[in-house]
Amino acid sequence: GIQVEQSPPDLILQEGANSTLRCNFSDSVNNLQWFHQNPWGQLINLFYIPSGTKQNGRLSATTVATERYSLLYISSSQTTDSGVYFCAVAPAAGNKLTFGGGTRVLVKP
Amino acid sequence: GAVVSQHPSWVICKSGTSVKIECRSLDFQATTMFWYRQFPKQSLMLMATSNEGSKATYEQGVEKDKFLINHASLTLSTLTVTSAHPEDSSFYICSARVTAANSYNEQFFGPGTRLTVL
Repeated sequence: GIQVEQSPPDLILQEGANSTLRCNFSDSVNNLQWFHQNPWGQLINLFYIPSGTKQNGRLSATTVATERYSLLYISSSQTTDSGVYFCAVAPAAGNKLTFGGGTRVLVKP
Repeated sequence: GAVVSQHPSWVICKSGTSVKIECRSLDFQATTMFWYRQFPKQSLMLMATSNEGSKATYEQGVEKDKFLINHASLTLSTLTVTSAHPEDSSFYICSARVTAANSYNEQFFGPGTRLTVL
């Protein structure tokens, strides 16, 4: 099956800092989603981005499908950005999501 | 965005009992829903795909007789953990797939159900 790797596994930021999270995947995809899992376990949809670039407030994402990677940018980080960020992809011929291992982010005040 | 609910949010049961978890798509119809399992500090692992009006398809290594899935309507899928044992304790999360043109295959997730088996 498709492999998904996220880096870094852990990230500690000072409030106000910028950061980049990376997601590499091993095959062509028809779906790529970024999620933020809050402390209560709820997965919040951040981006649906199988290709291209999107922005939503302080967050933006870019997927380069031909090179099989996606980046999530967090600018001017806030303590509420803390949590685990997951990338998940579905292969070109299917609809089942495979999750990466996640990046655990801690933003310190 | 689309809203998915789950009930209950947490449950504690004795070993040997069965537990049913409901997953509902509140503002859209979902022909396909998914069930995931997440252990502490780990990622989500897909357990099964729930298809409205037909049998669920299970991932390799998931016991279909242990985890019964029913998708009787376009807005409701249920997962029943039968004869639960302590090793079934986990966080169970469902999702529903939308098929809108601008977000084909996008999945939205429920808030999860934390199961503890004593």
